[in-house]
Amino acid sequence: QMQLQESGPGLVVPSGTLSLKCAVSGGSVNSVNWWNWVRQSPGKGLEWIGEIYESGTTNYNPSFESRVTISIDKLKNRFSLKLRSVTAADTAVYYCARGGLWSGSNNWFDPWGQGVLVTVSS
Amino acid sequence: SYELTQPPSVSVSPGETATISCSGDNLGNKFVSWYQQRPGQSPVLVIFQSTKRPSGIPERFSASNSGNTATLTISETQAVDEAVYYCQAWDSNIYVFGSGTKVTVL
Repeated sequence: QMQLQESGPGLVVPSGTLSLKCAVSGGSVNSVNWWNWVRQSPGKGLEWIGEIYESGTTNYNPSFESRVTISIDKLKNRFSLKLRSVTAADTAVYYCARGGLWSGSNNWFDPWGQGVLVTVSS
Repeated sequence: SYELTQPPSVSVSPGETATISCSGDNLGNKFVSWYQQRPGQSPVLVIFQSTKRPSGIPERFSASNSGNTATLTISETQAVDEAVYYCQAWDSNIYVFGSGTKVTVL
């Protein structure tokens, strides 16, 4: 059964860069799936950040597009998130999740990682 | 931007049926997914492609989607079903989530 595990610093200073990795086990990032990042601010709902395909093709939420990069590392079987110029508003639990075979309407997220809390504070 | 509207909370007695709505413009023409998030846990997919259950999800979870409203139904609700439920759809190149509905099993 596929499992995803996020890792990275739990504390980032304002104006810094948030960097997270998502390790995939029980499957390969080289498969025909989209790989996603979703965040959940404290006490709030879910917000999609972006996705990447095994080819390296990416799609981003316009709300983040100017400061986000998602990349994939097939050798290490993981994908990564970088979010630049962070503020306190970026404090959230960040999840990685496997998407389906197609980007767009016919897509869903399963499974999800356990999530990692990232706090933006000096 | 596209919005999905859910009621903040739903209360149900054990063994009864819980119904959770998710409203959005022309939602019936989109695929909807539903996720269950128990306290302190990550979301779990319970419905995909508007009406399908992933393997391992109990049959008491069902869903429909028509017009502007998608509905998740939990039959014979159990205490273990107490969680926040989120709907999700795709519009204008963005995956959008509803604000979530907290289901309380009284």
